[in-house]
Amino acid sequence: EAQVTQNPRYLITVTGKKLTVTCSQNMNHEYMSWYRQDPGLGLRQIYYSMNVEVTDKGDVPEGYKVSRKEKRNFPLILESPSPNQTSLYFCASTQAKGINEKLFFGSGTQLSVL
Amino acid sequence: GDSVTQMEGPVTLSEEAFLTINCTYTATGYPSLFWYVQYPGEGLQLLLKATKADDKGSNKGFEATYRKETTSFHLEKGSVQVSDSAVYFCALRDTGGFKTIFGAGTRLFVKA
Repeated sequence: EAQVTQNPRYLITVTGKKLTVTCSQNMNHEYMSWYRQDPGLGLRQIYYSMNVEVTDKGDVPEGYKVSRKEKRNFPLILESPSPNQTSLYFCASTQAKGINEKLFFGSGTQLSVL
Repeated sequence: GDSVTQMEGPVTLSEEAFLTINCTYTATGYPSLFWYVQYPGEGLQLLLKATKADDKGSNKGFEATYRKETTSFHLEKGSVQVSDSAVYFCALRDTGGFKTIFGAGTRLFVKA
């Protein structure tokens, strides 16, 4: 089954404690992206990757890091989380080429930073 | 830059009522337009799309027409069901084909 898998589903942490949210897709997609969803703001792009070792900033990259060492994986790293990073996070993937291609989303990670 | 504006919610309707959720966009070039739906506790999934002017996307009784002259892509359904309760996101994919920009989302509640 084609899917994007994120882990964990829920995460509560404290300010400053490094964490990683994993994302994996099994569709051989070139393009992967991270979004955060906040009430009234919709989805805002954090980082994206167009292929292995190719990553770039989205609209709200501050406080986040990513890596793309393998095509299937695109982890999101918060080196020193702060309360304003409390949010619902989604990983998504699609074929890089094709303006018409839809995004496939993971089920989301609800992060709370205390 | 490119942007998407949706009507604010929540929208509350009775079962079998007519639904319209307004969406307008600003973009250079000729983006593709999408509606995604998010059911409680789940990720977003594609509802329908349109790739050029005057195209109509449709799925599960929902429809939206790509109107270049009014830069709009309004979502409609003739008769909503309780199971349609969800958050609906209008989105565009830019001409370069890499970035998808989302509206703020509109929450729909359908009462039995």
